[in-house]
Amino acid sequence: ETGVTQSPTHLIKTRGQQVTLRCSSQSGHNTVSWYQQALGQGPQFIFQYYREEENGRGNFPPRFSGLQFPNYSSELNVNALELDDSALYLCASSLKTGPSTDTQYFGPGTRLTVL
Amino acid sequence: KQEVTQIPAALSVPEGENLVLNCSFTDSAIYNLQWFRQDPGKGLTSLLLIQSSQREQTSGRLNASLDKSSGRSTLYIAASQPGDSATYLCAAPEGGGSNYKLTFGKGTLLTVNP
Repeated sequence: ETGVTQSPTHLIKTRGQQVTLRCSSQSGHNTVSWYQQALGQGPQFIFQYYREEENGRGNFPPRFSGLQFPNYSSELNVNALELDDSALYLCASSLKTGPSTDTQYFGPGTRLTVL
Repeated sequence: KQEVTQIPAALSVPEGENLVLNCSFTDSAIYNLQWFRQDPGKGLTSLLLIQSSQREQTSGRLNASLDKSSGRSTLYIAASQPGDSATYLCAAPEGGGSNYKLTFGKGTLLTVNP
């Protein structure tokens, strides 16, 4: 059984650019959640995808968007990058069965630096 | 809106000491609570998941308790070791029902000195 993987590990971009981060969910999981963790803070929920549809969104602007593919892997896209977007981006996968969702398992994260 | 607070923000102890990390949450309509460990610059490792029907959960030297009525959870670490040095985060789901959204505290930075 493979765990949650994320790519790339590190990324450096400049203000105004666009970035795509990728996440492969753990085998058997159908739900992917994305979190942003700024330095010294706890992770903040961005959004969740279940069966290729957005299943909830945190307090992030529309320039943060995502996709989930039929194999349950996911992408996080951020347009018009700002300096404050510099953070560790974490992906978590879980199994959603009915109205409840099982434990979330986190990937190693992607460190994004915006210059 | 769920808010999670962790106390203390940082803790430094000598090796071998028993210690307690505290977590409080504002919305008690949760059906589980998770504790995570995070090493510097790394992702999150799930340590313990406590269901609302449980009051305690144990894994090795770790013991977590949950008191929904008071909105508190504690993580007890017995016989601490230098390898336990990390940031410990607790996370509660937003409201009742599906835990599709976890709300995290800012964490407690633990340093165990040899």
